[in-house]
Amino acid sequence: EVHLLESGGGLAQPGGSLRLSCAASRFTFSDYAMSWVRQAPGKGLEWVSAVGGGGDGPDYADSVKGRFSISRDNSKNTLYLQMNSLRAEDTAIYYCVKDHFPRNGVFDAFDIWGQGTMVTVSS
Amino acid sequence: EIVLTQSPGTLSLSPGERATLSCRASQSVSSNYLAWYQQKPGQAPRLLIYGASTRATGIPDRFSGSGSGTDFTLTITRLEPEDFAVYFCQQYGRSTPLIFGGGTKVEIK
Repeated sequence: EVHLLESGGGLAQPGGSLRLSCAASRFTFSDYAMSWVRQAPGKGLEWVSAVGGGGDGPDYADSVKGRFSISRDNSKNTLYLQMNSLRAEDTAIYYCVKDHFPRNGVFDAFDIWGQGTMVTVSS
Repeated sequence: EIVLTQSPGTLSLSPGERATLSCRASQSVSSNYLAWYQQKPGQAPRLLIYGASTRATGIPDRFSGSGSGTDFTLTITRLEPEDFAVYFCQQYGRSTPLIFGGGTKVEIK
């Protein structure tokens, strides 16, 4: 069964940093674009960042641009999100998600979601 | 940037009833790149519909999606107890940001 497992969440101080990881299994990781989606407590879903299968075209929501960096290591089947200059409003569950189809240049619907990792930014 | 507006915010229905959820886009969604997700408390969302009308693998046929352009609908023909949840629509495709609607909660009446 296709699986995504996030790690790296926790408590960070405002202005601090965290690095999230997402280990993928049972699919050809390098074929698929991947994204991070977050959900603040009791709120809706917000797309954060996406990267193509080959690491191309990383893109970001305006709310995190310049502070967060997405990357992937296809040799390790792992997706990352480096989060710097954290703010209270970054507090959320962060989900690692897989594109439904392997398409170049098109970000797809998300067919596989990890269980999420909680990030809390507070002093 | 597209804005997706979901209505109603909450839908109160009984098991066996029909649910009709709306997702309206502020501009046309290209190639009908519109998805629907279901989220239950404490769980990650689950993909129900992609391409506006195609059911994802394993999704029961009581779920159907329709619409094009700016107006999309998710219909659940006969609500089962496990269908009471929050539903989100999402626009995807070539351009970012990838946008989610604010969600519709389907609750037991």
